[in-house]
Amino acid sequence: GAGVSQSPSNKVTEKGKDVELRCDPISGHTALYWYRQSLGQGLEFLIYFQGNSAPDKSGLPSDRFSAERTGGSVSTLTIQRTQQEDSAVYLCASSFTSRGSHYEQYFGPGTRLTVT
Amino acid sequence: SQQGEEDPQALSIQEGENATMNCSYKTSINNLQWYRQNSGRGLVHLILIRSNEREKHSGRLRVTLDTSKKSSSLLITASRAADTASYFCATDPTPNAGGTSYGKLTFGQGTILTVHP
Repeated sequence: GAGVSQSPSNKVTEKGKDVELRCDPISGHTALYWYRQSLGQGLEFLIYFQGNSAPDKSGLPSDRFSAERTGGSVSTLTIQRTQQEDSAVYLCASSFTSRGSHYEQYFGPGTRLTVT
Repeated sequence: SQQGEEDPQALSIQEGENATMNCSYKTSINNLQWYRQNSGRGLVHLILIRSNEREKHSGRLRVTLDTSKKSSSLLITASRAADTASYFCATDPTPNAGGTSYGKLTFGQGTILTVHP
């Protein structure tokens, strides 16, 4: 079956512009996660969705970052007024859940964001 | 913040040798997972070990977990050039007071493994 897909694979944007990153999880996976990987910070958790709700947004670095998930499937991560420090690879992952337990996460290939 | 600390940061070996990577963490966990990453892009899940397990095998991979020492190790036996990658441990914290673990992973900084043909 298809894995987690993300688009675009690369995005170059000017400082101050808004960007939208998309994640299409594995069909049937109710849990969806966004992470960010940058040279200085390693891999950081951003936000978690269970179905369409986001019980944990604690990793979002500022109010310029927001995310939504519709239909329990596709998710978009939006960064408003991008800054150079937002440059990173944004990774999406999904996992199966059962009775509140979570299992291994399957990652997409990531979106490399460069803010100039 | 990074909970896991991995060592070594970089490991260079010859094909056929074994590679051992270690991970230490700070808080109670529900499970610990190892991932592999090539060329700084998507991570590939290798193995998950639960807090009540001490050792797990998958092909040439062997993972151990010592919850008393809050540490784990990943052993790759008979390494191949294709094993060259970055390897990360990630911890899934103990369920919250409501009894639910939601898989918020905290990653270590990773070990860069280079296997020379």
